[in-house]
Amino acid sequence: GAVVSQHPSRVICKSGTSVKIECRSLDFQATTMFWYRQFPKQSLMLMATSNEGSKATYEQGVEKDKFLINHASLTLSTLTVTSAHPEDSSFYICSARTVARDYEQYFGPGTRLTVT
Amino acid sequence: GQNIDQPTEMTATEGAIVQINCTYQTSGFNGLFWYQQHAGEAPTFLSYNVLDGLEEKGRFSSFLSRSKGYSYLLLKELQMKDSASYLCAVADSNYQLIWGAGTKLIIKP
Repeated sequence: GAVVSQHPSRVICKSGTSVKIECRSLDFQATTMFWYRQFPKQSLMLMATSNEGSKATYEQGVEKDKFLINHASLTLSTLTVTSAHPEDSSFYICSARTVARDYEQYFGPGTRLTVT
Repeated sequence: GQNIDQPTEMTATEGAIVQINCTYQTSGFNGLFWYQQHAGEAPTFLSYNVLDGLEEKGRFSSFLSRSKGYSYLLLKELQMKDSASYLCAVADSNYQLIWGAGTKLIIKP
């Protein structure tokens, strides 16, 4: 149980375009989902926390107008990178948390974004 | 401020034992996690400690001392596939995870 999927796993886009990444909890209801970014050889950096039906809470330094997060249901959250630039190229990982086990986060497999 | 410290890199020999330490200073404490992350992949859960003491799970064990703000992950009978980064994370008073930078473990034959 507690499986989280992400789609796509890899995406290459041109500078200036937008990319949407989906995060789904497959066999449980995720009250909270987290979006992380990880640059090569660095640790996870939390970008934002989203609760179903409410606006996401962004970490300091993360532009909310550039990284749009929608948590429309208890099983789906999306991250849209708008007007992507090469410096946005990174590994984006989502995780989900349930009410039943609110101390643990279940991670998706990640999305490798390359902006050319 | 909140801080998680762990060594950047460690090297060990196949079949040996290695201990990865983690010290923390956080606002509130709701448990400490260890995750394993292979290059290019998402982290996978290894262990969770919320009470003092040692938790053993197969070849991996995790220890916690809340009074000292200290934890370690012990890996026994090392295998080549254990080469990965090991991330220490602490859940703060809001159950938000505060992450260490990770320890890259290199296993040599």
